[in-house]
Amino acid sequence: AQKVTQAQTEISVVEKEDVTLDCVYETRDTTYYLFWYKQPPSGELVFLIRRNSFDEQNEISGRYSWNFQKSTSSFNFTITASQVVDSAVYFCALSEGGGSEKLVFGKGTKLTVNP
Amino acid sequence: GAVVSQHPSRVICKSGTSVKIECRSLDFQATTMFWYRQFPKQSLMLMATSNEGSKATYEQGVEKDKFLINHASLTLSTLTVTSAHPEDSSFYICSARDGRGPYEQYFGPGTRLTVT
Repeated sequence: AQKVTQAQTEISVVEKEDVTLDCVYETRDTTYYLFWYKQPPSGELVFLIRRNSFDEQNEISGRYSWNFQKSTSSFNFTITASQVVDSAVYFCALSEGGGSEKLVFGKGTKLTVNP
Repeated sequence: GAVVSQHPSRVICKSGTSVKIECRSLDFQATTMFWYRQFPKQSLMLMATSNEGSKATYEQGVEKDKFLINHASLTLSTLTVTSAHPEDSSFYICSARDGRGPYEQYFGPGTRLTVT
């Protein structure tokens, strides 16, 4: 069965600090997809990244970066030089390949960036 | 980018009544739509998967007679909460998969249901 664990329930940092959000997943499939979503207080989910299981390259997008390590079943998300606008709940999610496309979400990490 | 809308964004209803929530893909055809439920400060839980023109597939523990899902066209899916009770109060989010793309789901803005 699929499972996504986000052990950090809440994180609080001061603006300009770097912060890493952890995500550990479990799946028996060899083909799967990993996602990160941001949910601001408004509630709407904002897609951040999708990564397939065959691509272990790290990715950087502006202040955001992702570290995918199959050896430890982790897909961690780092925000560099955090800003107040980064305050939100961040969800890591897993979808198995083969067309099911069902997303299993972690419990989320609430990030608060203080000025 | 692909846009998914939900209507209404907020709804308050009395216990025992039924509420219909619409999910529309505005600029693409959605062969598959998903309905999620999110309780306050909790994660999203998949309720059901609906494919256009066929019956929805419900996740374990979700009452299909209580949460009626209809996916009558490639751009519209509806979720009807029948005989709503206060414990049904939640944030309901739909997502739609673009039939042309691989595994990309686009989420709607959500509907906050309050049952009094």
